[in-house]
Amino acid sequence: DQQVKQNSPSLSVQEGRISILNCDYTNSMFDYFLWYKKYPAEGPTFLISISSIKDKNEDGRFTVFLNKSAKHLSLHIVPSQPGDSAVYFCAARVNFGNEKLTFGTGTRLTIIP
Amino acid sequence: DTAVSQTPKYLVTQMGNDKSIKCEQNLGHDTMYWYKQDSKKFLKIMFSYNNKELIINETVPNRFSPKSPDKAHLNLHINSLELGDSAVYFCASSPWGQGASEAFFGQGTRLTVV
Repeated sequence: DQQVKQNSPSLSVQEGRISILNCDYTNSMFDYFLWYKKYPAEGPTFLISISSIKDKNEDGRFTVFLNKSAKHLSLHIVPSQPGDSAVYFCAARVNFGNEKLTFGTGTRLTIIP
Repeated sequence: DTAVSQTPKYLVTQMGNDKSIKCEQNLGHDTMYWYKQDSKKFLKIMFSYNNKELIINETVPNRFSPKSPDKAHLNLHINSLELGDSAVYFCASSPWGQGASEAFFGQGTRLTVV
């Protein structure tokens, strides 16, 4: 039972345009959501997060939106740069004190110069 | 300085062997984890330790035995390796009880069982 889903395994975006990566979840107990970026042969690195009490969090070129009623979150990258080409994982956590992360299967983003 | 480091990075071994993967973090975090990324690229938690105590064990076969000699180290020992154990294993750490916080990952150990 996959509680966090990323339905697009890959996405290609022109450099300078907006990249939008989507994530859906089924567990309504999730209260904290994170995006990780992963380059080949490296571990995932934290990108941005959002608490369930918010609907938007912005950090430079990266913005995460959360729609709790739809159990959906998205990551916007604008403008997209070649260095953004990587696999992006959405992750979710149930509650404070239980730090286990449940990951989606990832979306491979390719930025076309 | 590498925050979370794992050794070895690559491990090729025969079925039936016993092997260990080591993990160390220098972030002063209380909690450490092992995650497994399988052939479908699905990252799933295996174990979590907080201050050397096991707090999460996600129905992993008992051939897998984590060992935490201190809160900066979490090693993974695997007995009687099987073909299905081939995967990338990631160690991670995070602070505990600080609310919204992220986990820091090591670079992964690619285990290939032949």
